[in-house]
Amino acid sequence: DAGVIQSPRHEVTEMGQEVTLRCKPISGHDYLFWYRQTMMRGLELLIYFNNNVPIDDSGMPEDRFSAKMPNASFSTLKIQPSEPRDSAVYFCASRTGTSGNTIYFGEGSWLTVV
Amino acid sequence: KNQVEQSPQSLIILEGKNCTLQCNYTVSPFSNLRWYKQDTGRGPVSLTIMTFSENTKSNGRYTATLDADTKQSSLHITASQLSDSASYICVVSAYQAGTALIFGKGTTLSVSS
Repeated sequence: DAGVIQSPRHEVTEMGQEVTLRCKPISGHDYLFWYRQTMMRGLELLIYFNNNVPIDDSGMPEDRFSAKMPNASFSTLKIQPSEPRDSAVYFCASRTGTSGNTIYFGEGSWLTVV
Repeated sequence: KNQVEQSPQSLIILEGKNCTLQCNYTVSPFSNLRWYKQDTGRGPVSLTIMTFSENTKSNGRYTATLDADTKQSSLHITASQLSDSASYICVVSAYQAGTALIFGKGTTLSVSS
């Protein structure tokens, strides 16, 4: 399996622009997670889906952030409008079944908002 | 409040030496504890997962220990290699509906020749 696939790997955008990050989870995994990583705060859960349904979005910082999972093999995280403080690495991750299973991370999308 | 604290924040060792990374947590009810390795510019990769009843688990030169009574875990790296240079993240799962993972901020290990 190719693992969790994220795109783009790097994005530099101007403040106020819309940013869309994409994720393809591992086939057969029914949980999908979006995380944000910064030096100051480490890894933070933004939102997760189970069987394409958003379960917990309490980590989404504000209304500028939205996430969708239209089918089992694709998810997006959108920031509109983007701000410099959104600069971070955004990771998508997936796993199967029970909470004890391994979570597999993608390589991350490195976002810089100038 | 559920928290995971890791120490030291960073560590530099010579190639071939051993080292131990620490993780203290205040997560309840405890479900499992994971150690992840994150190379620079890459996503985290799982090293070990331990449940309440497991005291130790090995993965090659990596050995994780868990003391559920004191709520402490350690990751011991034996005969370090340059490729061990990475950030090591301790993640504790709370046993509840959903998937409440609490992440430590990681220990950055640098192995020099």
